[in-house]
Amino acid sequence: EVQLVQSGAEVKKPGESLKISCKGSGYSFTSYWIGWVRQMPGKGLEWMGIIYPGDSDTRYSPSFQGQVTISADKSISTAYLQWSSLKASDTAMYYCARADSFYGSGMDVWGKGTTVTVSS
Amino acid sequence: NFMLTQPHSVSESPGKTVTISCTRSSGSIASNYVQWYQQRPGSAPTTVIYEDNQRPSGVPDRFSGSIDSSSNSASLTISGLKTEDEADYYCQSYDSSNLWVFGGGTKLTVL
Repeated sequence: EVQLVQSGAEVKKPGESLKISCKGSGYSFTSYWIGWVRQMPGKGLEWMGIIYPGDSDTRYSPSFQGQVTISADKSISTAYLQWSSLKASDTAMYYCARADSFYGSGMDVWGKGTTVTVSS
Repeated sequence: NFMLTQPHSVSESPGKTVTISCTRSSGSIASNYVQWYQQRPGSAPTTVIYEDNQRPSGVPDRFSGSIDSSSNSASLTISGLKTEDEADYYCQSYDSSNLWVFGGGTKLTVL
């Protein structure tokens, strides 16, 4: 079964760093893109960026460029989303999802999401 | 960059047909594939239409997608509405500047 398993919920203070993960299984991790999507409370989906673990080609939405870092460790089939200094406005649900190509069929498998709460 | 504009909400009765639109602000709707995602409350999104009009396995044929170049929009049509179809629906496409774009989402109420 193809799965993306995301790390658990996080509660952090403003200014702290954070790295959340997304582990793929049941498919060739290096042959698909992994994208990250933010959903703020009660709001819609926002595309943050995407990485191709095969060669680490990474692309960011201008809204998130410089605010987060997307990376992947293909040896353990895991993609990451990280912040160096969290803000209260980073409070959201974060989803990872698989895509077969950048301009192709969109995201076909989604993780269950990681809730990030940033509060003093 | 372009935007994808969806109606904020639609409602219809069980058994009826509803269509949700997704209008591209600039550039041709036909230039890049459009996907549609369903998100039920408290759950992750799932794909109901990909590549404009293709259904993933397991998605009932009550769901269909289309694009209309004259209105520069994509549409998701759900026929034979069921209460389980009540969800938020998002369209998604691409920008030639290496960007993915989501529509703002449409809340479907089946009443």
